[in-house]
Amino acid sequence: QLVLTQSPSASASLGASVKLTCTLSSGHSSYAIAWHQQQPEKGPRYLMKLNSDGSHNKGDGIPDRFSGSNSGAERYLTISSLQSEDEADYYCQTWGTGIRVFGGGTKLTVL
Amino acid sequence: VQLVESGGGLVQPGGSLRLSCAASGFTVSSSCMSWVRQAPGKGLEWVSLIYSGGNTYYADSVKGRFTISRDSSKNTLYLQMNSLTGEDTAVYYCARDDWAVAGTGAIDIWGQGTMVTVSS
Repeated sequence: QLVLTQSPSASASLGASVKLTCTLSSGHSSYAIAWHQQQPEKGPRYLMKLNSDGSHNKGDGIPDRFSGSNSGAERYLTISSLQSEDEADYYCQTWGTGIRVFGGGTKLTVL
Repeated sequence: VQLVESGGGLVQPGGSLRLSCAASGFTVSSSCMSWVRQAPGKGLEWVSLIYSGGNTYYADSVKGRFTISRDSSKNTLYLQMNSLTGEDTAVYYCARDDWAVAGTGAIDIWGQGTMVTVSS
């Protein structure tokens, strides 16, 4: 079964960097994913697609502070130079034929 | 490029509701479109999708009760929801993924959402 696992919460200081993790279920370590941001009281926003080779394609207007990387079944979203507006929920998402799957989301707090 | 949902509201348990999602800047019938929902205080849950070829798929939680469709002349996506229960209470988002362009299911456009409340 295709499942994405995320830590429920993370925190980092203003101006620092943070690395969020999304783990693919066993047997699905080659899958690409997408990262989405949801700021408080807003709808989700597409950040980037992270391919299995580690390359990523960002959405329009997404700052260079946001980047993605891979290691095995883990997919990462790194946010550098944290700003207050980065405080949000971050969701990873993947897909198969006839299905779309979301991770449970990570709530990022900027201290 | 934009998606605008409408049709949400308050409905009694067992009732029905039809959501609409008007697209601009691209063609719904040439895209893979999904409905995704978010219950209050919860995460995102995929509900249904329709491919450009017309094949439709549903999450087990809504199979047999919800129907996804589209109207090419109006460039609009729909979600017909029947036999609603309190567990269907959520913000419903329509979304496009890049299947038609890049051959993947990465959602790259989101609507702003419409709230559905199922309560007596």
